Amino acid sequence: GENVEQHPSTLSVQEGDSAVIKCTYSDSASNYFPWYKQELGKRPQLIIDIRSNVGEKKDQRIAVTLNKTAKHFSLHITETQPEDSAVYFCAASIVGNYGGSQGNLIFGKGTKLSVKP
Amino acid sequence: NAGVMQNPRHLVRRRGQEARLRCSPMKGHSHVYWYRQLPEEGLKFMVYLQKENIIDESGMPKERFSAEFPKEGPSILRIQQVVRGDSAAYFCASSPPLGTGTHNEQFFGPGTRLTVL
Repeated sequence: GENVEQHPSTLSVQEGDSAVIKCTYSDSASNYFPWYKQELGKRPQLIIDIRSNVGEKKDQRIAVTLNKTAKHFSLHITETQPEDSAVYFCAASIVGNYGGSQGNLIFGKGTKLSVKP
Repeated sequence: NAGVMQNPRHLVRRRGQEARLRCSPMKGHSHVYWYRQLPEEGLKFMVYLQKENIIDESGMPKERFSAEFPKEGPSILRIQQVVRGDSAAYFCASSPPLGTGTHNEQFFGPGTRLTVL
């Protein structure tokens, strides 16, 4: 089955710096890669996702890149702010657009990001 | 609040008792997923359900655990004869129906924190 590895497990940056979190996956059939942010004691919140037909996606200070050949994808946060401090999880799944979808997400173990003011 | 609802938020059980966790998906969503999160770890997929149908239960232990999503009412994750190792946060997520183009996206509830004494 699918296996997702995530690095680093902890990341500390200075406010205003960039943060990069990397994930690799094992199943070449995986085609959907979301990223979730989880604050302490709260629910995971979807912050950005990418499908395998796209190499890069950006939403304000957040971007995700995907390399299908190497089977890895990365989250990039620019101009980090203290409120970006949280645990970030990457995930992978195999989905279809119309029917036949498996849907369950396989998560990485998470990266605890600390942004120091 | 049109988000995913879970109750109870906190549940304390003694060893050997039963735990019942409830999840109401977002309005218009027809798919429910249950995940378990141990402290300091990522989320592990347990089961994926549609109304009156279990799609994938490959992540759920064969014994003591069961899940349902009836035609009316919330999805229920049931743990019989709980043991200390069942202590965890249990999150459910919901996604739109197949064919909507956004079926891949899963939105999480606030979780139920189960403590087994």
